[in-house]
Amino acid sequence: EVQLVESGGDLVQPGGSLRLSCATSGIAVSINYFTWVRQAPGKGLEWVSVIYSGGSTYYADTVKGRFTISRDNTKNTLYLQMNSLRAEDTAVYYCARVEGTPYGPLDIWGQGTMVTVSA
Amino acid sequence: DIQMTQSPSSLSASVGDRVTITCRASQSISNYLHWYQQKPGKAPKLLIYTASSLQSGVPSRFSGSGSGTHFTLTISSLQPEDLASYYCQQSYSTPNTFGQGTKLEIK
Repeated sequence: EVQLVESGGDLVQPGGSLRLSCATSGIAVSINYFTWVRQAPGKGLEWVSVIYSGGSTYYADTVKGRFTISRDNTKNTLYLQMNSLRAEDTAVYYCARVEGTPYGPLDIWGQGTMVTVSA
Repeated sequence: DIQMTQSPSSLSASVGDRVTITCRASQSISNYLHWYQQKPGKAPKLLIYTASSLQSGVPSRFSGSGSGTHFTLTISSLQPEDLASYYCQQSYSTPNTFGQGTKLEIK
């Protein structure tokens, strides 16, 4: 069964850092495209970042320069390193697989991990 | 960035009703438009991809149409389990923006 499981969410102070993980099973991170999507409490979905199979990465303007998406092919795990965290980064963070091509839909989602940025 | 605008933001309908949700893109996105359903407390689930293709396992009462800048999601006969929020997303260019969502309530 294909599965994505996020972890690493926590309560962190403004200006702090956190690394989220997304462990995959049944699919190889090296040959797939993966996205991070977040959802602030009571709000809609916000696209955060993508990593392509070739290693190219892209970010939303709201996180550019602060967040870094990466992967470990040997561990089949996706990461999101979040630095200089702000209150507005408080959200549930989901990892999702982009199906087939860079233009594909998000067909497999994890259950999400909560990040709270507060003093 | 491409802006995605959904309407309505919320909707209340009765079981058996035909429901239509609209998504407009700020520029042409061909058919790179996908629809997701999110039930309370759950992760989103893919319903429709590339504007009109039904994801495996999704009931046939869901359908999508459109191309360019105007897209619709239709539920032909609303069921109680369709209580959820619905989001469109474009994958034509990064950032792959989402619409603001439509919250569907059952009367």
